[in-house]
Amino acid sequence: DVKVTQSSRYLVKRTGEKVFLECVQDMDHENMFWYRQDPGLGLRLIYFSYDVKMKEKGDIPEGYSVSREKKERFSLILESASTNQTSMYLCASSAGYSSGNTIYFGEGSWLTVV
Amino acid sequence: AQSVTQLGSHVSVSEGALVLLRCNYSSSVPPYLFWYVQYPNQGLQLLLKYTTGATLVKGINGFEAEFKKSETSFHLTKPSAHMSDAAEYFCAVMYGYSSASKIIFGSGTRLSIRP
Repeated sequence: DVKVTQSSRYLVKRTGEKVFLECVQDMDHENMFWYRQDPGLGLRLIYFSYDVKMKEKGDIPEGYSVSREKKERFSLILESASTNQTSMYLCASSAGYSSGNTIYFGEGSWLTVV
Repeated sequence: AQSVTQLGSHVSVSEGALVLLRCNYSSSVPPYLFWYVQYPNQGLQLLLKYTTGATLVKGINGFEAEFKKSETSFHLTKPSAHMSDAAEYFCAVMYGYSSASKIIFGSGTRLSIRP
């Protein structure tokens, strides 16, 4: 089974702090994604990466950055956390077209910014 | 702009009743189509997907969905609801055939099951 592991399930951070959310996948997938989930808004794509050191902005990249130094690891960085970034963050990976583009999700990280 | 619409943010059915969750997408271009389920405090899990071929797709837990190109729909059904089906369900669409194609998610439908 594909496993996408998010290092922290629950975090509480202060406004202005730098926050790192880490994600690791164990299936050698090319593509990795970070989504944000808010009630009534579904999932919104923050950033995705289709190769090591490659990244593309999603729909809501403002206030976020990402890092992909190794194929299995994709980090989401909040440079200066704000209360409107309180949300559930979901990491995902996929092998892409060759596997029918199925995306596999981690368990999610609940971030509260106070 | 491409979009996915899920009709009804909350659906409630009785145990044993038919489950019907609606999903429409915005383009007539044949896409990849997915349904995901999210149980409380968990990530999303793939229920089923349509890529090519047979338009009626069977998934896990007794769910199925039918791709209707003329109606740009991909509704999810289950003949008989079970209490364990209570969860949030997301329809998703991917356009394009490259590995970098993005998946667009609907806003989700919360399914409640009445005893």
